[in-house]
Amino acid sequence: EPEVTQTPSHQVTQMGQEVILRCVPISNHLYFYWYRQILGQKVEFLVSFYNNEISEKSEIFDDQFSVERPDGSNFTLKIRSTKLEDSAMYFCASRQGYSNQPQHFGDGTRLSIL
Amino acid sequence: EDKVVQSPLSLVVHEGDTVTLNCSYEVTNFRSLLWYKQEKKAPTFLFMLTSSGIEKKSGRLSSILDKKELFSILNITATQTGDSAVYLCAVASGYGQNFVFGPGTRLSVLP
Repeated sequence: EPEVTQTPSHQVTQMGQEVILRCVPISNHLYFYWYRQILGQKVEFLVSFYNNEISEKSEIFDDQFSVERPDGSNFTLKIRSTKLEDSAMYFCASRQGYSNQPQHFGDGTRLSIL
Repeated sequence: EDKVVQSPLSLVVHEGDTVTLNCSYEVTNFRSLLWYKQEKKAPTFLFMLTSSGIEKKSGRLSSILDKKELFSILNITATQTGDSAVYLCAVASGYGQNFVFGPGTRLSVLP
């Protein structure tokens, strides 16, 4: 069964550095998402992406964050000038596009900011 | 502000027990409600509910939605230790692509 893949599985970065988290959504999916889950807390929506542009973003997704689909397969989340509180599990998800289709999640990237 | 509430937040049962997990929501322009199971990593999809009163079943799991009372339940019968996980409820609302997640119910099934 096709799946969403994320790399790396764990990223350790010094505070203030930039990180890029990578995702390969399921190939025929049209909607892409990033979520964040701080340890012990709930899954929080960051951003959705469709037709090469952001369709919706949360208050968390400020100027520190950006997303890109640099080619036909990858979907990236860039976090500039990382802070300690950016430490979390970041999940990528994709959806086929029909409103009755669910999102499918990748295994996540655990980001640790030191 | 859209809100999804789950109860209980934590539940410990023994193998063979039946459990009912609850999810209530307050959202604008409800579109669908989804249940996910989260073990170590990625939430895995269980059910998507869009219409009231239609039960979805998959093996020992079943779920139903009540759009009038704004809640859903997830039932697990004859629980097994492999059912131990966090069960997440998420609601899609409005005209955007945002899915709002509840805090999850942590289910522990003891042998």
